[in-house]
Amino acid sequence: KAGVTQTPRYLIKTRGQQVTLSCSPISGHRSVSWYQQTPGQGLQFLFEYFSETQRNKGNFPGRFSGRQFSNSRSEMNVSTLELGDSALYLCASSAGSNTGELFFGEGSRLTVL
Amino acid sequence: QKEVEQDPGPLSVPEGAIVSLNCTYSNSAFQYFMWYRQYSRKGPELLMYTYSSGNKEDGRFTAQVDKSSKYISLFIRDSQPSDSATYLCASPYAGGTSYGKLTFGQGTILTVHP
Repeated sequence: KAGVTQTPRYLIKTRGQQVTLSCSPISGHRSVSWYQQTPGQGLQFLFEYFSETQRNKGNFPGRFSGRQFSNSRSEMNVSTLELGDSALYLCASSAGSNTGELFFGEGSRLTVL
Repeated sequence: QKEVEQDPGPLSVPEGAIVSLNCTYSNSAFQYFMWYRQYSRKGPELLMYTYSSGNKEDGRFTAQVDKSSKYISLFIRDSQPSDSATYLCASPYAGGTSYGKLTFGQGTILTVHP
């Protein structure tokens, strides 16, 4: 069974640009969540999508947005990039268990110059 | 104050040592607790989860929850160099059916020396 796939794995952008990251969940998983990981703040929840609907959103500015398609694939977008957006962006999929088992991808490492 | 607090370490131990990793949490609504392990340049993977208070053992790993003191622990017996990773404690969102929302601790970086 294929795992969670994230693309691109690495990218470099400059301030003011925008970026789109993609995530393909495990087949059959309908929940996709996005997290930002930085050395200072650790793993922080961005948002969760379930059946194309945003189910929950973390405490991030409106520059961070996402969407989910009918095949459960998800994208997140960050507009007007700031230096502080440099981070590892992790996508996780879930079968919907309340035990909290998420399956993470290897992440997209974004560097903003 | 963060809802889940974890000492980031780093923690360095010799092979074979018993490792104790700890977290505290402040949200009394948290019911499930889990430990994720993250190797360098990889995403986190679920190691163990527990519900309510008590111990849960899985091979060399024991997870312990004390809800009265809001304290979560992970013990690793006979630690191996392959255990070197970042260990993250977490709890799912307690306010509804958002199973994809976890609150993570900062993560503890563990190095086990041969």
